[in-house]
Amino acid sequence: EAQLVESGGGLVQPGGSLRLSCAASGFTFSSYWMHWVRQTPGKGLVWVSRIKSDGSSIVYADSVKGRFTISRDNAKNTLYLQMNSLRADDTAVYYCARDLDYGGYSNFDYWGQGTLVTVSS
Amino acid sequence: DIQMTQSPSSLSASVGDRVTITCRASQRIRSYLNWYQQKPGNAPKVLIYAASSVQSGVPSRFSGSGSGTDFTLTISSLQPEDFATYYCQQSYSLPYTFGQGTKLEIK
Repeated sequence: EAQLVESGGGLVQPGGSLRLSCAASGFTFSSYWMHWVRQTPGKGLVWVSRIKSDGSSIVYADSVKGRFTISRDNAKNTLYLQMNSLRADDTAVYYCARDLDYGGYSNFDYWGQGTLVTVSS
Repeated sequence: DIQMTQSPSSLSASVGDRVTITCRASQRIRSYLNWYQQKPGNAPKVLIYAASSVQSGVPSRFSGSGSGTDFTLTISSLQPEDFATYYCQQSYSLPYTFGQGTKLEIK
């Protein structure tokens, strides 16, 4: 069965950087578009970024554009999120999610367990 | 961005009840609407995609309907394991936005 396992979260000071990883197994990682989604108690679920299966197309939420970079290594079955210039409002649980496309209808059918990022001095 | 508004924000119900949660999009999204269930400490789990298609493995008591801007998630007979938070999500255009959630609690 498909599995996604995030790592790399932790406590970082404002202005700092962190790199999240999402290790995929149980499916052909290189065939799927992937997303990062974050969740806070106050703002609920918020989509962060998407990357195409071959990495050729990338989209970001306005709130992270210019600060976060999504990437993937299909040889290592791993998705990444490089987060720079972190702010307090980036504090959240970060999930990676697989995009399953049913005839053009996209949904997130597998999610990781989440990794907590806390931005605080 | 497309805004997704769920109602109610919270709901108390009993085992065996029929429950309906609604989701409204700020613009027409055809049938590009998913429903997720989330339990405390866990990641969301997809229940319904394309507004009315039930994800494999999801019990048949869950159903979805709607198109355009108005959508509903119905649980025909609540089971103890259904008490959770439910989110709608539009996949019509990026950014894929979520509703604020509906917390379903035991009465």
